[in-house]
Amino acid sequence: GDSVTQMEGPVTLSEEAFLTINCTYTATGYPSLFWYVQYPGEGLQLLLKATKADDKGSNKGFEATYRKETTSFHLEKGSVQVSDSAVYFCALINSGGSNYKLTFGKGTLLTVNP
Amino acid sequence: EAGVAQSPRYKIIEKRQSVAFWCNPISGHATLYWYQQILGQGPKLLIQFQNNGVVDDSQLPKDRFSAERLKGVDSTLKIQPAKLEDSAVYLCASSPTTGTNEQYFGPGTRLTVT
Repeated sequence: GDSVTQMEGPVTLSEEAFLTINCTYTATGYPSLFWYVQYPGEGLQLLLKATKADDKGSNKGFEATYRKETTSFHLEKGSVQVSDSAVYFCALINSGGSNYKLTFGKGTLLTVNP
Repeated sequence: EAGVAQSPRYKIIEKRQSVAFWCNPISGHATLYWYQQILGQGPKLLIQFQNNGVVDDSQLPKDRFSAERLKGVDSTLKIQPAKLEDSAVYLCASSPTTGTNEQYFGPGTRLTVT
């Protein structure tokens, strides 16, 4: 079945550091890929998405590129802020099926210190 | 536009008791999802509705969990009887149609079973 593997956390960075959170996937067909963010005490929010190979999703300074050859969708940000502290989830939807359920990775806790 | 509403936000019960969670999706959204998020894991789909019909309930433990979406709007998820391993955050999400890959999440209900 479909699966998502993302780097184990927690990740602790200083403000203005560069961020990479690795994500790889296993899926049949051509899935759409997502990064969701969960701030403390809040629900999941869509951060960015990409629906086909070589697409780059971007939002709030975060970027991720859909790499079909390496089945990866790594999340990057050039300069993190304290307000970016949250749990980040990589996910996919395999539209080859009859439904559109999200398959999530386990999440990566990011803490940014001032 | 109002987001996905869920209640209660927190619930503590003893094992073998029953509990119910309520979700009100974004107005006009035909598809509704219930996910279970156990601590340290990504959310896992329990059930998906399209209007008031079930699209996927393959991962719903049907001996104790039930869900309904009467009139194709609000939804209720019930657990009876609860077990310790049901302690989790229960997330509700909605999307405009099944054919779209963007889901909007509510804040979740945190259930603790003691």
